[in-house]
Amino acid sequence: DTAVSQTPKYLVTQMGNDKSIKCEQNLGHDTMYWYKQDSKKFLKIMFSYNNKELIINETVPNRFSPKSPDKAHLNLHINSLELGDSAVYFCASSHKGDNEQFFGPGTRLTVL
Amino acid sequence: DQQVKQNSPSLSVQEGRISILNCDYTNSMFDYFLWYKKYPAEGPTFLISISSIKDKNEDGRFTVFLNKSAKHLSLHIVPSQPGDSAVYFCAASRTTNKFYFGSGTKLNVKP
Repeated sequence: DTAVSQTPKYLVTQMGNDKSIKCEQNLGHDTMYWYKQDSKKFLKIMFSYNNKELIINETVPNRFSPKSPDKAHLNLHINSLELGDSAVYFCASSHKGDNEQFFGPGTRLTVL
Repeated sequence: DQQVKQNSPSLSVQEGRISILNCDYTNSMFDYFLWYKKYPAEGPTFLISISSIKDKNEDGRFTVFLNKSAKHLSLHIVPSQPGDSAVYFCAASRTTNKFYFGSGTKLNVKP
């Protein structure tokens, strides 16, 4: 009965590879987010989708491409991975207009 | 440039005593603030929030104080319990759904 789930939990890959992280929520929310927690532990918003439409797009390299096939899913695809992409990525969801966001458990990405 | 800062990376408190976690922000346009709690290997979970029209919000053992003139908020936990040991993040927003997070404070409550 997990509310927000992410797969995989851990991802280790080589520089230059392309990888995807999947996120699903079963809370009936209409807004989903991707956050990056960097080495300094700050959680920074990357993208937000509402009803499959992009509403927040921070200054993120265009190697990162979110895809929302439906309201319950927001996947993150990363092309040409770089060392600096190593971080923990969190997916979250909420109702639009609600301030409380529900987070997934995170995906630890390590780029070698 | 970080708009939300938690300058204490860690805090250790004895069980039963008060825990005070602090957060500073730079953007005076922020109008909503939240605290999240995070256990290892889990995502952050919502704890308590406060709107800029208030200066205090209380929920059981947790109270958040907002000082707009100082651009400062704090989370008080009374009494602290070992189960409160976690990383606490503060977050601030000036538009719905877009939040800026601090770097977290790791609280250790000693039995």
